Amino acid sequence: NAGVMQNPRHLVRRRGQEARLRCSPMKGHSHVYWYRQLPEEGLKFMVYLQKENIIDESGMPKERFSAEFPKEGPSILRIQQVVRGDSAAYFCASSPGVISRFKGPQYFGPGTRLLVL
Amino acid sequence: KNEVEQSPQNLTAQEGEFITINCSYSVGISALHWLQQHPGGGIVSLFMLSSGKKKHGRLIATINIQEKHSSLHITASHPRDSAVYICAVPRFSWYGGSQGNLIFGKGTKLSVKP
Repeated sequence: NAGVMQNPRHLVRRRGQEARLRCSPMKGHSHVYWYRQLPEEGLKFMVYLQKENIIDESGMPKERFSAEFPKEGPSILRIQQVVRGDSAAYFCASSPGVISRFKGPQYFGPGTRLLVL
Repeated sequence: KNEVEQSPQNLTAQEGEFITINCSYSVGISALHWLQQHPGGGIVSLFMLSSGKKKHGRLIATINIQEKHSSLHITASHPRDSAVYICAVPRFSWYGGSQGNLIFGKGTKLSVKP
């Protein structure tokens, strides 16, 4: 059973370009979470999605950032017009259902390291 | 809104030592998470616990709900345990769909010397 997959693992963009980060959850998992880790800072929640629905986007910056999890295919985190401050590691995690002591935690992907020049 | 404090920030130990990392939070929670981030950056979920104690190999996690405190212990530490250990709790104290909206501690960087 393959784990959570993210691609690309490393992404370099120039200021003003778009960045698309992909996350394929574990098989059987329908819940996806995106987290960001800025250099020398802790992890921060960004968004929680189920198939075709955004459940909680309270951690997403209001502009330039969007996320989707279509019925078919991976979840996408899209950053438009990137700036140097977007340089970070972006982690995706998935769970089979609502995280709980009954259903267990989420499982993390290896992350995408975004560098904006 | 929850706040998470971890201590110590950095910890250096000799191989074989018993290690304790502490985590305190401010608001009642449904469950607390312990994560391990490897030097290469990957993150592994070690434990999710809501009461008592859990053990996995040489790792033991305990939680005291009344005191809002959790500890992660490593017995017979080994250089391969060197990593950043992160405590995380849900932002909201209720059961529901946003239990993945976690607040993370700043992490404890552990270095185990041979």
